[in-house]
Amino acid sequence: SYELTQPLSVSVALGQTARITCGGNNIGSKNVHWYQQKPGQAPVLVIYRDSNRPSGIPERFSGSNSGNTATLTISRAQAGDEADYYCQVWDSSTALCVFGTGTKVTVL
Amino acid sequence: EVQLVESGGGLVKPGGSLRLSCAASGFTFSNAWMSWVRQAPGKGLEWVGRIKSKTDGGTTDYAAPVKGRFTISRDDSKNTLYLQMNSLKTEDTAVYYCTTERNYYDSSGYSNWFDPWGQGTLVTVSS
Repeated sequence: SYELTQPLSVSVALGQTARITCGGNNIGSKNVHWYQQKPGQAPVLVIYRDSNRPSGIPERFSGSNSGNTATLTISRAQAGDEADYYCQVWDSSTALCVFGTGTKVTVL
Repeated sequence: EVQLVESGGGLVKPGGSLRLSCAASGFTFSNAWMSWVRQAPGKGLEWVGRIKSKTDGGTTDYAAPVKGRFTISRDDSKNTLYLQMNSLKTEDTAVYYCTTERNYYDSSGYSNWFDPWGQGTLVTVSS
């Protein structure tokens, strides 16, 4: 089955840039989506189809996808960006949805 | 405003059954593909399964851990999604979210993502 691997945690200084990776075999050939989940809350979509932001999501959030790695970038990190982040793809070979292992982002 | 509200969670013994509901409002529910996603305590997100709109066949797909035990259905007249869970196991303990699936087709093939999500309902399977 298809697997998506994320770092367990990423730390970023206030105002700096955080990059969260999502690794998968030839993930660049798939559309990748990203969710933010704060403690006790439901996930919120922050990026869809690699690099598109839903309305209401700040421009500080951006995404890219190539080769075996997709990346969510948070620019000018704020305290309110502290959350768990998950990548997600649809695996056409198995017709199943796959989520990444999740990354906890801490803003120092 | 689009809203999804889950209900029906609770404590159930291993081997028991439970039915979750998800009441939808603020959009044309009958046209929507809907999914259930769960999250075990302290763990990551896990897709449970989905149901397509009736105009797209109304068919269902399930993740391997729940296939044959869980059934997703919908009542478009009530704008409600259901998850019937049978033969529950302790490892089914999780918060269950319902969510609207967005679909896209391009040269890469089919893709889907989830937006928005309900607030979730907790299911605890324990003796």
